Amino acid sequence: SQQGEEDPQALSIQEGENATMNCSYKTSINNLQWYRQNSGRGLVHLILIRSNEREKHSGRLRVTLDTSKKSSSLLITASRAADTASYFCATDAGGGADGLTFGKGTHLIIQP
Amino acid sequence: DAGVTQSPTHLIKTRGQQVTLRCSPKSGHDTVSWYQQALGQGPQFIFQYYEEEERQRGNFPDRFSGHQFPNYSSELNVNALLLGDSALYLCASSSTGVYTEAFFGQGTRLTVV
Repeated sequence: SQQGEEDPQALSIQEGENATMNCSYKTSINNLQWYRQNSGRGLVHLILIRSNEREKHSGRLRVTLDTSKKSSSLLITASRAADTASYFCATDAGGGADGLTFGKGTHLIIQP
Repeated sequence: DAGVTQSPTHLIKTRGQQVTLRCSPKSGHDTVSWYQQALGQGPQFIFQYYEEEERQRGNFPDRFSGHQFPNYSSELNVNALLLGDSALYLCASSSTGVYTEAFFGQGTRLTVV
């Protein structure tokens, strides 16, 4: 079963705009990770945020985590056509020992 | 530095057959996890191997089995294939630790006909 739920399921924006995706989860976590997947191939790791962190940045990416609401958001600023992909959040409840639990993903389309 | 490599990239099998998928982890990683991703869904955790032992298992039947070798590479075996086993199978490697990123291979696309 899937723990996380990404919202929206699909998002289409113009190049240069910002894209925001949200993730909600159900159980306590050790950390939360965001991944990108192009055309049904392998997952690319974007960012990991620990349960005791509230915000993290990496280049054009900003991730927030609210453990009281069991939710996270991924913001991509100044989007580019190459950002077109599916984005997944994955929760880690056991410090790596229990595998990751993924949501169904948000499909992001950047229109040129 | 090679990342996670999986073979083969594509595979077509007949119902009832058996299949073996292979994974070499990223250099320096000792833990391998396997995931199944059906079309339009997120990956689902199958099991994880560490020190050649299955450490955790998701909600998958015993038809799914695995192995980890002393060099940390791993195999996923699926017996008595069903049409519903058609999916992208992803291998992820990581190092031991509480806050550890998982790095994924490109996957093996399995089609059962």
